[in-house]
Amino acid sequence: QKEVEQNSGPLSVPEGAIASLNCTYSDRVSQSFFWYRQYSGKSPELIMSIYSNGDKEDGRFTAQLNKASQYVSLLIRDSQPSDSATYLCALLGGSARQLTFGSGTQLTVLP
Amino acid sequence: DADVTQTPRNRITKTGKRIMLECSQTKGHDRMYWYRQDPGLGLRLIYYSFDVKDINKGEISDGYSVSRQAQAKFSLSLESAIPNQTALYFCATSGTGAEAFFGQGTRLTVV
Repeated sequence: QKEVEQNSGPLSVPEGAIASLNCTYSDRVSQSFFWYRQYSGKSPELIMSIYSNGDKEDGRFTAQLNKASQYVSLLIRDSQPSDSATYLCALLGGSARQLTFGSGTQLTVLP
Repeated sequence: DADVTQTPRNRITKTGKRIMLECSQTKGHDRMYWYRQDPGLGLRLIYYSFDVKDINKGEISDGYSVSRQAQAKFSLSLESAIPNQTALYFCATSGTGAEAFFGQGTRLTVV
């Protein structure tokens, strides 16, 4: 089992809808979780970090963490075509040394 | 100027050749990482370093070596390049906050 699992997609949503991206992980002692966005041909950029159970909101983005169930999700409200990208889930492992990424979910927001 | 700079940006090399990818950063971070990205596989960790004397293998270190010449410089070498090392390579840095900052990437083709 990979340490970080994501549905590869592609995921398509209409403009204005909520996009829901999910990630599960296997290392129970992981403490820090991140969502990166990567446009085609570009470098990943951090959009959200979350460290404790519950929800964290930042503008149109909400990250949700459930350590008991070992999943982290990202909701994008009022999706825009400019949100079309690959979204990478990442975690800092229990030793706080390795930053490990999932394979990414490709999101397309249809105008 | 970019905070994390990778050179070269693109490289085509022949099988069996030695090649070095270089990364330098101006963020003052101690942690540096090398990842490779292949379609559908996300970012996979090759090596990571927490300081000049602390270098560690990642998930896919076979066929690669690294050198941390200074806090700001972290180089990745392919001693004898092979075609399945054709990929997009990213260098990243992080500080104590764990957010990773990526270079622009190096597109390497081994023919």
